[in-house]
Amino acid sequence: QQQVKQSPQSLIVQKGGISIINCAYENTAFDYFPWYQQFPGKGPALLIAIRPDVSEKKEGRFTISFNKSAKQFSLHIMDSQPGDSATYFCAASFHGSSNTGKLIFGQGTTLQVKP
Amino acid sequence: DSGVTQTPKHLITATGQRVTLRCSPRSGDLSVYWYQQSLDQGLQFLIQYYNGEERAKGNILERFSAQQFPDLHSELNLSSLELGDSALYFCASSPRGRDQETQYFGPGTRLLVL
Repeated sequence: QQQVKQSPQSLIVQKGGISIINCAYENTAFDYFPWYQQFPGKGPALLIAIRPDVSEKKEGRFTISFNKSAKQFSLHIMDSQPGDSATYFCAASFHGSSNTGKLIFGQGTTLQVKP
Repeated sequence: DSGVTQTPKHLITATGQRVTLRCSPRSGDLSVYWYQQSLDQGLQFLIQYYNGEERAKGNILERFSAQQFPDLHSELNLSSLELGDSALYFCASSPRGRDQETQYFGPGTRLLVL
């Protein structure tokens, strides 16, 4: 119930193309769904996040689509660039009233954008 | 730069030893989280502190312990180290208030147990 399943494990996209990464969760109590980007040797950096009361959020070239009934959410990277080549993690958390908020991460997707 | 600092950046030690990893959260953040990243287990939550008190525990081994000090920095202690403890250890912090869900990660400590 605490798992977040992410696919694909790896993705190769041509420059200018659309990269799509999908995640699915089981626990309907999750109320926050962030995506993190990680470059080799660096810590994960928050890219974009969504709460379950909206179905889509867009920030620049990055869009999260959220389907509450299917318990799925996805990251779309438009006009993918070689600089987007990194590992992407989806995550989910539940906050409630106790100031907790541990992130449950997907297994990660390694994205390679070819020039 | 997230504003979260971690020391040391790299650590090489032997099995059976004990190490301490240090984390300084972003200025004003009360929550500190520790995560372990390994190739086979991915990113796993270990433990969270909020303003000096333990708030949540994940898959943290009994050989591991943590604390958060009055100045809000945190330390993760790993003892009786095993080869399988080799991993990246990340600290994250989150602000209070409206954006408390947002976690900012430090650069990590890479631990190698030989």
